[in-house]
This record gives sequence, structure tokens and C-alpha cells, in this order.
Amino acid sequence: GAVVSQHPSRVICKSGTSVKIECRSLDFQATTMFWYRQFPKQSLMLMATSNEGSKATYEQGVEKDKFLINHASLTLSTLTVTSAHPEDSSFYICSARVTLQRGIQETQYFGPGTRLLVL
Amino acid sequence: DAKTTQPNSMESNEEEPVHLPCNHSTISGTDYIHWYRQLPSQGPEYVIHGLTSNVNNRMASLAIAEDRKSSTLILHRATLRDAAVYYCILRDNYGQNFVFGPGTRLSVLP
Repeated sequence: GAVVSQHPSRVICKSGTSVKIECRSLDFQATTMFWYRQFPKQSLMLMATSNEGSKATYEQGVEKDKFLINHASLTLSTLTVTSAHPEDSSFYICSARVTLQRGIQETQYFGPGTRLLVL
Repeated sequence: DAKTTQPNSMESNEEEPVHLPCNHSTISGTDYIHWYRQLPSQGPEYVIHGLTSNVNNRMASLAIAEDRKSSTLILHRATLRDAAVYYCILRDNYGQNFVFGPGTRLSVLP
């Protein structure tokens, strides 16, 4: 299946600093990528939808000025957590939508996740 | 997107088949049934998806009821590495993101 990578896999930062997380589609082009957040013992919650070359669409309750998303190319989307605070500590997961060659069915592939700990 | 209902947890013995059910009584005609699983501290992993016919791949089989109001993910021989949270998700071909429910936490006993 298609491969999606994330970097870094783990990051620890001080409160008030900014952290950038990269999401790459390694063997396909993704016009649409998604960013999720997952707190312990909970399911994934969609934060925003990232479209290449345009502004991201944020879910209700997600601060767009705090979680900056850039999708500058068909293989790279970045999520920057600005002025991070301890409550931002979470598991951040990106995914990319794939259109299979048959052009009928499509699915999404997910990155391995980035665990953020804000002290 | 239509809602799905799954048991919170299930247990299986190693090397035995596992049948993970999913109810989706409000499924629409264009909704595909997708299954993902998430191992601890990892991103979700694609397992299988289908529309109407049963589907098989190297990981699992997907049995879809004739009325499409339910489906079952079948792991033919559970291994310890299959212990994960399994998510059943509906989405049509033109839908945006996947909406994750709580899923089924599968425990595999040695």
C-alpha cells in the first residue's frame, strides 16, 4: 500500500515554543491530506483538511492561528503547533487520500504519528 | 457520513479465527465500508474495504450482508500482532475525511 511518513516521531518541547510536524506521501501524490489528533484512550479526531495550494479547512473548535497547516506540494504537508502548551500534548497523525488506478475506489493511508509532549 | 456501531472489546485465542462485527443500518447506496486497525502508538493501518461483494486480501476478509446493514471483518488466524483497535468506517467515494468511532479493541490471548 501507499506509504505516508511523519517527522519527527516524537518531540518534547518547552511551553511557549513552536513545533513543526512534517507529513510526506512517499510514493504517490496527495492533493488532500488530513491532520488528526488523538488523546490517550480516545479515538482519532479530525483537526483539519489540507488541500495542496490552498488554505486548510479547520474543524469546529480547532484554532487555525494555533495549528498552522501548509500544503505547499503534492507530497508534503506541515502542521505547526504555535506557542505550545501542556494541553497540546497529544498524538498527531496525518493521512493522505489515494485514488486507486481504477479511479473508482479510494481510501486513505495514515502516517505513523508524532507524539508531542509539552513540558 | 452514516454511523457505525461496534462492540467495545473482543477477545480471541491465538491461531483461532476472529469475527469482528459492525452494524451500519443507515448506510447509503454509495457508502463504501472501510476497515482500519490501530496498533498501540501507531497510526491507523488500512485493512480492507468493500461496497457490496465480499472481499479478500492477504490481511483479512470482509463479509458484507446482503442488505448492507452490517458487515464482518474476519481474521482467519489471529496472532498476537493482531491485537489492536479495529475501526469500521463508512464513506462514499466522494466524501472527505474518515470519521473514527471508538472501534473494537481486540485482545489476542496466547
